[in-house]
Amino acid sequence: QSALTQPRSVSGSPGQSVIISCSGTSSDVGGYNFVSWYQQHPGKAPKLMIYDVSKRPSGVPDRFSGSKSGNTASLTISGLQAEDEGDYYCCSFSGTYTLTIGGGTKLTVL
Amino acid sequence: EVQVVESGGGSVQPGGSLRLSCAASGFTFNTYSMAWVRQAPGKGLEWLSYISSSGFTIYYADSVKGRFIISRDNAENSVYLQMNSLRDEDTAMYYCARVGWGEYYFDYWGQGTLVTVSS
Repeated sequence: QSALTQPRSVSGSPGQSVIISCSGTSSDVGGYNFVSWYQQHPGKAPKLMIYDVSKRPSGVPDRFSGSKSGNTASLTISGLQAEDEGDYYCCSFSGTYTLTIGGGTKLTVL
Repeated sequence: EVQVVESGGGSVQPGGSLRLSCAASGFTFNTYSMAWVRQAPGKGLEWLSYISSSGFTIYYADSVKGRFIISRDNAENSVYLQMNSLRDEDTAMYYCARVGWGEYYFDYWGQGTLVTVSS
């Protein structure tokens, strides 16, 4: 199973919005509403930010939102803050209990 | 508080075996599926294996199918990953994660245990 395609890096200034895309196929992102997003700070474990495309776990700020259009999912971070800097990974169900994860995007807060 | 703690990592030669353990607490363990995910140094995440709450349903990624075995002991609130025929490319941080109610995401992760495969 090929990894989902994410931009290697994105950046934004505090207060701005950034969008991280996650491109897949009709066999994963496009075929199911089971996309999740994880934030990872250096040396730390990943943290769930979004699940089932657009649902936010309790405790995750509403600055984080998820969406999907066709075979591409997106994570939008509004009102960027310094602590948002880190790596972000998208993950999609891709049939018969296989989970495909993207290559990761490094977010830099300028 | 939900906690997931991995152990058992270390250095092993190619072709060798290692058994990882994951101790869970702070939730009703026997009602949640669990999974293992790894991350090679400087690389992205890779889902490896899933085990249902009862232990009866198990899945593996193609990269480890036939070499790794996932299991769980609900009496001990623990999940395990038996890794056999280890290769250099299995070198990674191995994370244990709780699978969320929706079954297709990981809502709590451990801090990981490092496995190094090298001669």
